[in-house]
Amino acid sequence: DQQVKQNSPSLSVQEGRISILNCDYTNSMFDYFLWYKKYPAEGPTFLISISSIKDKNEDGRFTVFLNKSAKHLSLHIVPSQPGDSAVYFCAAKNAGNNRKLIWGLGTSLAVNP
Amino acid sequence: KAGVTQTPRYLIKTRGQQVTLSCSPISGHRSVSWYQQTPGQGLQFLFEYFSETQRNKGNFPGRFSGRQFSNSRSEMNVSTLELGDSALYLCASSTGLTSSYEQYFGPGTRLTVT
Repeated sequence: DQQVKQNSPSLSVQEGRISILNCDYTNSMFDYFLWYKKYPAEGPTFLISISSIKDKNEDGRFTVFLNKSAKHLSLHIVPSQPGDSAVYFCAAKNAGNNRKLIWGLGTSLAVNP
Repeated sequence: KAGVTQTPRYLIKTRGQQVTLSCSPISGHRSVSWYQQTPGQGLQFLFEYFSETQRNKGNFPGRFSGRQFSNSRSEMNVSTLELGDSALYLCASSTGLTSSYEQYFGPGTRLTVT
């Protein structure tokens, strides 16, 4: 039972345009959300996070939006660059359950020059 | 500061064998977590060690075990390997327990079971 869902396995955008990666979750006990980026042959790298008490967090070209009522978050990358091409994972922490990280299956982003 | 290192990077084993994977955390980090990544299941949490004690455990069979040494280095062992154990095994370290601190991942060990 996938509690964190990234329904788009892949996404392709043009350089300079906006990339929007989506993530849905089912567990209302999740109170902290993270995005990680993973290049081939490397481990995931932390990108940006958001607490459930906020609805937006911004860091440079990366912005994460959280809609708690819809149990949905999204990562916006503006402007997209070829170096952003990677697999993006959404992950959530449970307020209970020892706060283990629950991961989505990832979305592979390709930014075309 | 050196990152998280994992050895070996690639490994091929046959069914029924056992395997030990090693992880050296970032200097000063005391928590080490292990994950299994497969295409269909994504990243699945195996266990977390902090100060040589297992603090958290995922839903994996007892064939999967680990330990942490006094220098925070960690090993993960899988006994009686099955074909389904073929995966990328990732190690992550953090300053404290991952419930409160950010994790930094190593490049992973690619295990293939034939």
